[in-house]
Amino acid sequence: EAQVTQNPRYLITVTGKKLTVTCSQNMNHEYMSWYRQDPGLGLRQIYYSMNVEVTDKGDVPEGYKVSRKEKRNFPLILESPSPNQTSLYFCASSPSGRIPGELFFGEGSRLTVL
Amino acid sequence: AQSVTQLGSHVSVSEGALVLLRCNYSSSVPPYLFWYVQYPNQGLQLLLKYTSAATLVKGINGFEAEFKKSETSFHLTKPSAHMSDAAEYFCAVSRGGATNKLIFGTGTLLAVQP
Repeated sequence: EAQVTQNPRYLITVTGKKLTVTCSQNMNHEYMSWYRQDPGLGLRQIYYSMNVEVTDKGDVPEGYKVSRKEKRNFPLILESPSPNQTSLYFCASSPSGRIPGELFFGEGSRLTVL
Repeated sequence: AQSVTQLGSHVSVSEGALVLLRCNYSSSVPPYLFWYVQYPNQGLQLLLKYTSAATLVKGINGFEAEFKKSETSFHLTKPSAHMSDAAEYFCAVSRGGATNKLIFGTGTLLAVQP
């Protein structure tokens, strides 16, 4: 089954404790992206990757890191989480050459930072 | 700069009634426009998209949207609501290009009353 898989789906952590949210897609997509969803703000892009070893900042990159060492994986790293990073996070992917914006989303990772 | 405005954060309709979810966009270039749906505890999935072909776009589950350039609108409609339509709906705009970036609206939560 074609899908984008995120882990963990739910996580409660404390301020400053490094964490990684993994994202993997099995559709051989070149493009991957991370969004955060907050009430009243919709979804905002954190980082994106056009292909392996090519990443760039989105609209809200502060406090986050990403890497793209393999085509299928695009982990989101919070080096020192803070309470304002409490949010619902979505990973998405898209094949190159398709219509812009036609993204396939994972089921989301709900993060709480205390 | 591109932006999307969704009028009404909550919309409630009776089962069998018309569904109308409003979306207005701002874009300096011809846009690509999208509606995504998010069911509870799930990721977003594409409902329909406008890519400068037909102005009336049909999507999944009986939904459709009409692109009106003069009104800069892309409202989502369904003639007869079903209980299973209860979800959050997001309008999004993209100008295309290499970044494949989507700008999302703040979402409209649709409730369907029996």
